[in-house]
Amino acid sequence: QKEVEQNSGPLSVPEGAIASLNCTYSDRGSQSFFWYRQYSGKSPELIMSIYSNGDKEDGRFTAQLNKASQYVSLLIRDSQPSDSATYLCAVSIMDSSYKLIFGSGTRLLVRP
Amino acid sequence: ETGVTQSPTHLIKTRGQQVTLRCSSQSGHNTVSWYQQALGQGPQFIFQYYREEENGRGNFPPRFSGLQFPNYSSELNVNALELDDSALYLCASSLVGSEQYFGPGTRLTVT
Repeated sequence: QKEVEQNSGPLSVPEGAIASLNCTYSDRGSQSFFWYRQYSGKSPELIMSIYSNGDKEDGRFTAQLNKASQYVSLLIRDSQPSDSATYLCAVSIMDSSYKLIFGSGTRLLVRP
Repeated sequence: ETGVTQSPTHLIKTRGQQVTLRCSSQSGHNTVSWYQQALGQGPQFIFQYYREEENGRGNFPPRFSGLQFPNYSSELNVNALELDDSALYLCASSLVGSEQYFGPGTRLTVT
């Protein structure tokens, strides 16, 4: 069973702090890794993708990948109340469909 | 906005009925994937369509079926609805093997 695990939270951080979200996956054949943000009642929005070991930065967001440890993380710097949402980690396996396997998400709450 | 559209937005059906959900992909994308998201869970892969053919299927029974049209839009059909089919149905548009962008979803309630 291919699995993606996330802490459900909520993770509560004060405004301006760094929020750190973590994800582990079980299938070593996983090729691509994604973070989606989902506001309550809305659909998931792609915010970061990462394909190789190391860090990838985009604005206030940094994705980190360690394939040896089967670990992906998302750092949000200078957290804002508008960042309060559920963050979904997704992993793509290189079969014919490159289907996404999602974790259950971590709820982030940024306190003003 | 991703440019992916879905219809209808909300739908209420009775157990045993059939439903059709529709998705228009983003311009330039040739692949549509369908996901089911139950409350409090991450999306689960139902199936994917590429070049009008099913290109991978998740652990869903045959009463979940789909189509892709020449303009890359897609339909998801569910027969013999069950209460557990109540969920948010998401379609995602992409080039095959590339990043997937979700539409707004269809909220299905089965009573």
